[in-house]
Amino acid sequence: KAGVTQTPRYLIKTRGQQVTLSCSPISGHRSVSWYQQTPGQGLQFLFEYFSETQRNKGNFPGRFSGRQFSNSRSEMNVSTLELGDSALYLCASSLNSYGYTFGSGTRLTVV
Amino acid sequence: GQQVMQIPQYQHVQEGEDFTTYCNSSTTLSNIQWYKQRPGGHPVFLIQLVKSGEVKKQKRLTFQFGEAKKNSSLHITATQTTDVGTYFCAGYDNYGQNFVFGPGTRLSVLP
Repeated sequence: KAGVTQTPRYLIKTRGQQVTLSCSPISGHRSVSWYQQTPGQGLQFLFEYFSETQRNKGNFPGRFSGRQFSNSRSEMNVSTLELGDSALYLCASSLNSYGYTFGSGTRLTVV
Repeated sequence: GQQVMQIPQYQHVQEGEDFTTYCNSSTTLSNIQWYKQRPGGHPVFLIQLVKSGEVKKQKRLTFQFGEAKKNSSLHITATQTTDVGTYFCAGYDNYGQNFVFGPGTRLSVLP
């Protein structure tokens, strides 16, 4: 079966702009979570959605937001981009929170 | 907030040697998950431990959850070059809100 699909794979944005990343979970998985990975901070949890509702949230500013659609697909938005937002953004889906299947990620570069 | 630490940060072993990484949380975990990330890849779920003192084995990998549910370990017997990667532990904080990853242990295996 198809894995977790993230688009786009690479993105270059200018400071101050906003960006939307997309994630399609494994079919049947209703939980979708987002993570930021950087060399300095490691893997950090952004938020988790389940059945279109945000269920959990990490310690990120309000510039980071997300949503989940009725088909479980999810989007993550970052507004007013800062240089420090450059990172690999990973999406993961789960059937019942017993382990998460990660996508290949979107590498965002803010210049 | 909750902190999850892992030691060592790096480990270089000769192929055939054993390897162990330790994960320690500042607070009690409801469960702990382990992931492996190959260089240039995304995290891949290995296992979840739930019960105090639980031990699980996957071929050459042995996972252990401490009695106090605040620490865990991953032991690899007779490492192979395919074991190369970064091993992360992760778990939910006390409130079940923030899914926290440890900083990871990067394993290098010399042939």
